[in-house]
Amino acid sequence: KQEVTQIPAALSVPEGENLVLNCSFTDSAIYNLQWFRQDPGKGLTSLLLIQSSQREQTSGRLNASLDKSSGRSTLYIAASQPGDSATYLCATLGGDTGFQKLVFGTGTRLLVSP
Amino acid sequence: GAGVSQSPSNKVTEKGKDVELRCDPISGHTALYWYRQSLGQGLEFLIYFQGNSAPDKSGLPSDRFSAERTGGSVSTLTIQRTQQEDSAVYLCASSQTSGSLYEQYFGPGTRLTVT
Repeated sequence: KQEVTQIPAALSVPEGENLVLNCSFTDSAIYNLQWFRQDPGKGLTSLLLIQSSQREQTSGRLNASLDKSSGRSTLYIAASQPGDSATYLCATLGGDTGFQKLVFGTGTRLLVSP
Repeated sequence: GAGVSQSPSNKVTEKGKDVELRCDPISGHTALYWYRQSLGQGLEFLIYFQGNSAPDKSGLPSDRFSAERTGGSVSTLTIQRTQQEDSAVYLCASSQTSGSLYEQYFGPGTRLTVT
């Protein structure tokens, strides 16, 4: 059964810092991995999706990497801004859970202070 | 284009009452998913619809929960005889599945409070 873990659970940084969020998963036979952002009281916004054959994806100040063999993904946020404050979730698709559902980590709550 | 929409955005109900939650997926998406997000449980899968295939109901927590998808589009999640532990945010997502990334797009959710 796939298990997804995110470290740290919470992170507080001053504006302008570069930061890394970590995601690990136990079943490496995934089809893809998605990173989401969730603002308080809101739904999920997809940030980046990495296919199993890819090593990384970039969107603006965000870069996500995937090392399938070691069961790890990282989300790198460059030059953080207060508007980046949110909860960040990673989720895997495929493996023993098939294509029917995403398996989510518990999230990293990020606070960027001005 | 329009994203996934859900209604109502908030629902407060008394214990024992039935509730219906609605999801409108992105037009053309053949797959539809329901998830539940509750304190201490994170995000958990409930049910999956793909085209005309039988739904995958493996995540439904009890027989009080049911869902249907009419005409391959709109879906309704029904909770009968609601209990306080049903209080959560119910999220719907949709995706394309043919030759695609299987990227799931989420709606804003319905916050259910059972008093």
